[in-house]
Amino acid sequence: ETGVTQTPRHLVMGMTNKKSLKCEQHLGHNAMYWYKQSAKKPLELMFVYSLEERVENNSVPSRFSPECPNSSHLFLHLHTLQPEDSALYLCASSQQRGLGTEAFFGQGTRLTVV
Amino acid sequence: GQQVMQIPQYQHVQEGEDFTTYCNSSTTLSNIQWYKQRPGGHPVFLIQLVKSGEVKKQKRLTFQFGEAKKNSSLHITATQTTDVGTYFCAGLMDSNYQLIWGAGTKLIIKP
Repeated sequence: ETGVTQTPRHLVMGMTNKKSLKCEQHLGHNAMYWYKQSAKKPLELMFVYSLEERVENNSVPSRFSPECPNSSHLFLHLHTLQPEDSALYLCASSQQRGLGTEAFFGQGTRLTVV
Repeated sequence: GQQVMQIPQYQHVQEGEDFTTYCNSSTTLSNIQWYKQRPGGHPVFLIQLVKSGEVKKQKRLTFQFGEAKKNSSLHITATQTTDVGTYFCAGLMDSNYQLIWGAGTKLIIKP
């Protein structure tokens, strides 16, 4: 148990569906992140929130829409995804964004787009 | 763009043999972190190196940060089955506080 909880653990969705991934951290951290992990590729940082404000958006397609209603919760809303979006989506948190702070990861949501 | 290259992609070893993975950055790093991801699991933080030339040990694991703060290595002595997984380095860039991840090295123990 890392203190970062993601739901659901597995998700299969059609290309026309709308779904949301949820992340909750119980560590009192100020920064939260969404990462995409595909086979044989480095972890791809998608979004960063610091003190509930989005500070980075790394050229992620608009079919992915993040939401951070408070410092403990982070959502990733999915709409009209493509099969190449199938991957493990990892949420992480850290005490603060940037220097010297380790990231704590959730167990991930394994997403399959059919 | 900024990259952290990690090699090898895979390493097969007999139990009891040593294992090493290397990371190289195109730019100077503020620090470098190492994570381990077990099969089916999520990345778990192992250690952070900050100083030029720093060496840290955790039991059978030895971590090094290069003098120029552009490269790093993780060496495992006498591997055990519990060491199986993928080891990632992640370098923190001075300029934008962004962690740049290596692609990982998968440690496989031969049966």
